[in-house]
Amino acid sequence: GNSVTQMEGPVTLSEEAFLTINCTYTATGYPSLFWYVQYPGEGLQLLLKATKADDKGSNKGFEATYRKETTSFHLEKGSVQVSDSAVYFCALSSTASYDKVIFGPGTSLSVIP
Amino acid sequence: DTGVSQNPRHKITKRGQNVTFRCDPISEHNRLYWYRQTLGQGPEFLTYFQNEAQLEKSRLLSDRFSAERPKGSFSTLEIQRTEQGDSAMYLCASSLGTGSYQPQHFGDGTRLSIL
Repeated sequence: GNSVTQMEGPVTLSEEAFLTINCTYTATGYPSLFWYVQYPGEGLQLLLKATKADDKGSNKGFEATYRKETTSFHLEKGSVQVSDSAVYFCALSSTASYDKVIFGPGTSLSVIP
Repeated sequence: DTGVSQNPRHKITKRGQNVTFRCDPISEHNRLYWYRQTLGQGPEFLTYFQNEAQLEKSRLLSDRFSAERPKGSFSTLEIQRTEQGDSAMYLCASSLGTGSYQPQHFGDGTRLSIL
């Protein structure tokens, strides 16, 4: 079945450091890929998405590129801020499965001043 | 767009009691999903409705769990004879199914604690 694997946390970075959170997936067909973010005490928010190979999703300085050849969707940001401290979930959905979202386990990020 | 609304936000109950949660999706959304999230994990799919029809149920949804979506509007998730392992955040999401990809919008969830 479909699944998502992402790097384990927690990840601790200093402000303005470069961020990479690795994500790989297993899926049949052509899934859509997402990064969701969950800030402390808040609900899930869609951060960015890509719906086909080689698409780049971007939002709030975060980027991720849909790489079908490596089945990856790594999240990157050039300069993190304290306000980026949150849990980040890589996820996929497929129209063949009613578009239900399959989430990875999440990566906790803490950014220190 | 008032967002997906879930009630209650928190529910504390004793083991063995029944609980019911409600989800009000975004008004024009025909698709509704329930997920469960335990501490330190990503959300896991429980069930899916298209309008009033329940089209898929996860094996995670034991016989003690039942979900409904009468008239294709709000949905309820009921857990009978709650167990310690049912303690989790229960998330509802909705989307507009148009044949092409549409994003799911998540509610803030109902946190269930079993004493």
